[in-house]
Amino acid sequence: AQSVTQPDIHITVSEGASLELRCNYSYGATPYLFWYVQSPGQGLQLLLKYFSGDTLVQGIKGFEAEFKRSQSSFNLRKPSVHWSDAAEYFCAVAWLGAGGGNKLTFGTGTQLKVEL
Amino acid sequence: GAVVSQHPSWVICKSGTSVKIECRSLDFQATTMFWYRQFPKQSLMLMATSNEGSKATYEQGVEKDKFLINHASLTLSTLTVTSAHPEDSSFYICSARGGEQTQYFGPGTRLLVL
Repeated sequence: AQSVTQPDIHITVSEGASLELRCNYSYGATPYLFWYVQSPGQGLQLLLKYFSGDTLVQGIKGFEAEFKRSQSSFNLRKPSVHWSDAAEYFCAVAWLGAGGGNKLTFGTGTQLKVEL
Repeated sequence: GAVVSQHPSWVICKSGTSVKIECRSLDFQATTMFWYRQFPKQSLMLMATSNEGSKATYEQGVEKDKFLINHASLTLSTLTVTSAHPEDSSFYICSARGGEQTQYFGPGTRLLVL
């Protein structure tokens, strides 16, 4: 079955430090890749997405992510974290083609804490 | 652009009553909307796919007679939790699919069944 793995359940970084959140997906048909952020009690906000082309994509709030097909990864990065970035981050993948159904498969999420 | 609203944002009801949650795409049309359920500190669980003008497609283990979905227009899908019980208490989130297979999410509805 197609799956998405976020190995880190919790991450704590100091404000101003760099951040990398990991995401791996099981190999399958062409993946559409997404990162969403969720603040407590809120819905999900789209940070960025990758469909094709340049494997380094820029998103909102200073985030970027790099698609590495050979590693089946789509890691999220930010050079300098702000206290307001504290939230839950979800990686999600949609597989088009057989078995994909255009539905999103979510990772389990990574809770980011920012120390001041 | 790509704003999705949900109403109500929270609801408290008595056991045995029915609750309707609305999901609207405000600035785009969505032939497909999705309904998710999220338990505390967990990821989203897809309940069903709502298709405009046709029956919803439910995920395995989701009771279609308990969670009624109606997608009557290109901007509105509703989820009705029928005969709600305390175990139905949860955070319900909808999304609407826009361009490039991208889902845009509503702010969620917190349901508490007493």
